[in-house]
Amino acid sequence: DTAVSQTPKYLVTQMGNDKSIKCEQNLGHDTMYWYKQDSKKFLKIMFSYNNKELIINETVPNRFSPKSPDKAHLNLHINSLELGDSAVYFCASSQAQGATEAFFGQGTRLTVV
Amino acid sequence: AQSVTQLGSHVSVSEGALVLLRCNYSSSVPPYLFWYVQYPNQGLQLLLKYTTGATLVKGINGFEAEFKKSETSFHLTKPSAHMSDAAEYFCAVRLTSGTYKYIFGTGTRLKVLA
Repeated sequence: DTAVSQTPKYLVTQMGNDKSIKCEQNLGHDTMYWYKQDSKKFLKIMFSYNNKELIINETVPNRFSPKSPDKAHLNLHINSLELGDSAVYFCASSQAQGATEAFFGQGTRLTVV
Repeated sequence: AQSVTQLGSHVSVSEGALVLLRCNYSSSVPPYLFWYVQYPNQGLQLLLKYTTGATLVKGINGFEAEFKKSETSFHLTKPSAHMSDAAEYFCAVRLTSGTYKYIFGTGTRLKVLA
């Protein structure tokens, strides 16, 4: 069983559309994250949730809205997609907010055309 | 503010040669330090980590790294490169208080030559 799973793995969509990426972890972890990896491979945190509560929101445009229906899921919804949103989005989880290791999903490659 | 610098965005070594990937960090307090590996079209996998204790840490696949506080460095080494080591390697620090967020370096692509 995959520990942190994201769907879809690939997403190609047109500018202006709204799309969602889903993430689920079966590790029983309390904390989940979304990271964005740009075309230069730079990884930057976007959001972090701890027990369904938002704890990190890193100057991300309002078009991005995370939703955590329960602590095993952290979905990312993106409104009005722009070309610059093209990137690989990684979901991750850790046992607790201060845990020493994060487990990453396989990534979702979003291409906006 | 915390930051991570990885020297060399691309490193090439011959199979069997020493691998050395450099990482320096900037932090007001000693953070936790990590090396992650990313194979093509894959997620990130933890290679090794330093939190406290012994400054030389061993990880998976024969990699190790040494935390040097005086040099604010956490360089990754492997005595003998294997073709399967070709990947992107990321050094990261994690804050030990506050938001506990990870800050990643820009990555080093390791190429192993036959």
